[in-house]
Amino acid sequence: GNSVTQMEGPVTLSEEAFLTINCTYTATGYPSLFWYVQYPGEGLQLLLKATKADDKGSNKGFEATYRKETTSFHLEKGSVQVSDSAVYFCALIPTGDFGNEKLTFGTGTRLTIIP
Amino acid sequence: GAVVSQHPSRVICKSGTSVKIECRSLDFQATTMFWYRQFPKQSLMLMATSNEGSKATYEQGVEKDKFLINHASLTLSTLTVTSAHPEDSSFYICSAPGQGAAGETQYFGPGTRLLVL
Repeated sequence: GNSVTQMEGPVTLSEEAFLTINCTYTATGYPSLFWYVQYPGEGLQLLLKATKADDKGSNKGFEATYRKETTSFHLEKGSVQVSDSAVYFCALIPTGDFGNEKLTFGTGTRLTIIP
Repeated sequence: GAVVSQHPSRVICKSGTSVKIECRSLDFQATTMFWYRQFPKQSLMLMATSNEGSKATYEQGVEKDKFLINHASLTLSTLTVTSAHPEDSSFYICSAPGQGAAGETQYFGPGTRLLVL
């Protein structure tokens, strides 16, 4: 079946540090890949996505590249800010499931940035 | 962007009572909505797909009679936890897919925290 594995948290970094949150997936074909973010007290929001191999999704300084060969979609940011403190979820929609939109989520990684 | 609301944001109830949670798409229509359950420090678990005008589709292991879902209109889906017990205490989240080019994007409600005493 489909699954998403992301690095366990919590992750604590100092402001302006480099961030990587690893995400790997198991799925047949070419799933669409997503990173969602959940800020304290808010609902999940789409951060970025990629729908085919070698695509790079980017938003708010975050980037993730769809790597088919390593089945990975690692999230990176060059210089984190306190406002980036949140829980980050990696997710996928299986190939051919357009119109179904059933997301499979990873376990989430809690990120805390200290000034 | 599209907004999804949930009501109530938190509820405390006694064991054996039923609790209804509403999920509304505020500025777009949603023929499909999804209900998730989120355990502490764990991922979101998809419970069911709510379909406007027809029966909900439940994921394996989710009790249909326990978690009643009604998608009464294109902007409203409700989840009723019947005869709630302490093990039903959790964070319940709904989502609705965007329309058109945003069809792959899910818009999530802020969640409802249920505590059953």
